[in-house]
Amino acid sequence: SQQGEEDPQALSIQEGENATMNCSYKTSINNLQWYRQNSGRGLVHLILIRSNEREKHSGRLRVTLDTSKKSSSLLITASRAADTASYFCATDEDTGFQKLVFGTGTRLLVSP
Amino acid sequence: NAGVTQTPKFQVLKTGQSMTLQCAQDMNHEYMSWYRQDPGMGLRLIHYSVGAGITDQGEVPNGYNVSRSTTEDFPLRLLSAAPSQTSVYFCASSYVGGITLHFGNGTRLTVT
Repeated sequence: SQQGEEDPQALSIQEGENATMNCSYKTSINNLQWYRQNSGRGLVHLILIRSNEREKHSGRLRVTLDTSKKSSSLLITASRAADTASYFCATDEDTGFQKLVFGTGTRLLVSP
Repeated sequence: NAGVTQTPKFQVLKTGQSMTLQCAQDMNHEYMSWYRQDPGMGLRLIHYSVGAGITDQGEVPNGYNVSRSTTEDFPLRLLSAAPSQTSVYFCASSYVGGITLHFGNGTRLTVT
């Protein structure tokens, strides 16, 4: 069953602006991850946040996790054209941390 | 390092034909998995393996077979292709106990 739903489905911004995308999930998790997928390529891991963490930073990325609302957000600051990609959240089902369940993704377009 | 290598990149099959999608990794990862990606559906887990000789079903296993005779290889077999199997297939790997997945670049399969 699909675990994550992402919002918005598509986002179009200008270079230099911030991009925020959201993920909601259904069951208890151990951790939540975000992946990026460039067109025609496989997914690449960006950042992981554990269920006992509320916020995490990595470069221009900021991830928040609210386990009470079963939701997470990914913020990309000062976006660049190279950030154009699809972004997916992925959660581990509580019974098997490697059986990642992916959201439906947000397509981000950053225009120069 | 090559990472996760998938072949072929593209394939067109007629209904009822069989084929094997190849996946190989050179990172000595015990865990390997197959996902399919369909528009609006995110990625769904087909089969996975935690080591040579050990496989298990994911969310959408019907119509697919797998085996794992070596650590490096995890082929996915379609015994009798159906149009519903038109999709992009991704292989991913990880250490057992690892949390993040390493993806190949996918095989785009069309069944007519």
